[in-house]
Amino acid sequence: EAGVAQSPRYKIIEKRQSVAFWCNPISGHATLYWYQQILGQGPKLLIQFQNNGVVDDSQLPKDRFSAERLKGVDSTLKIQPAKLEDSAVYLCASSSRDTQYFGPGTRLTVL
Amino acid sequence: GENVEQHPSTLSVQEGDSAVIKCTYSDSASNYFPWYKQELGKRPQLIIDIRSNVGEKKDQRIAVTLNKTAKHFSLHITETQPEDSAVYFCAATDTGGFKTIFGAGTRLFVKA
Repeated sequence: EAGVAQSPRYKIIEKRQSVAFWCNPISGHATLYWYQQILGQGPKLLIQFQNNGVVDDSQLPKDRFSAERLKGVDSTLKIQPAKLEDSAVYLCASSSRDTQYFGPGTRLTVL
Repeated sequence: GENVEQHPSTLSVQEGDSAVIKCTYSDSASNYFPWYKQELGKRPQLIIDIRSNVGEKKDQRIAVTLNKTAKHFSLHITETQPEDSAVYFCAATDTGGFKTIFGAGTRLFVKA
């Protein structure tokens, strides 16, 4: 079966610019997660969707980050405006039960 | 808040030796404990997992043990090989997978 797909793989922007990431989960997986992984740290959950509803967004900086999963399949994560400290790898994962499968991530560099 | 503590942060072993990584969780509702391996520049890959109704699980050179009373779980790698070098993350998930918390990771070096 195809894995979790993400794009782009790399993105370089200047601070105060905006950026969007896309994720396509494994077919049939109802739960989708966005994580931020800063170099040398473990993944930190930003937002979790169950179908097209938000289960947990308690750690999402809502003044600059937004995410949607309108049809319960693909999802986009947006940052506007970006700050230097947003430089990280943004991982998308999906699950049908409790085992999460990760995508390749998008490495964001904010200059 | 809930958290998962992982130790050690760095582990260096000689090829052929065993490696043990330990995690402690705080959420008593956690009942699923996966372990992920992340090689440099790659995605985390699930290597083994254990559910709360089991105390130990083994898959070839990898084993995981769980002590629910003490809220501890550990990853054991035997006969380590250079290709085992990576960052390993533990995680704890509650019933239904509604909340997963990751440890900070252990960087394992296996010296040939």
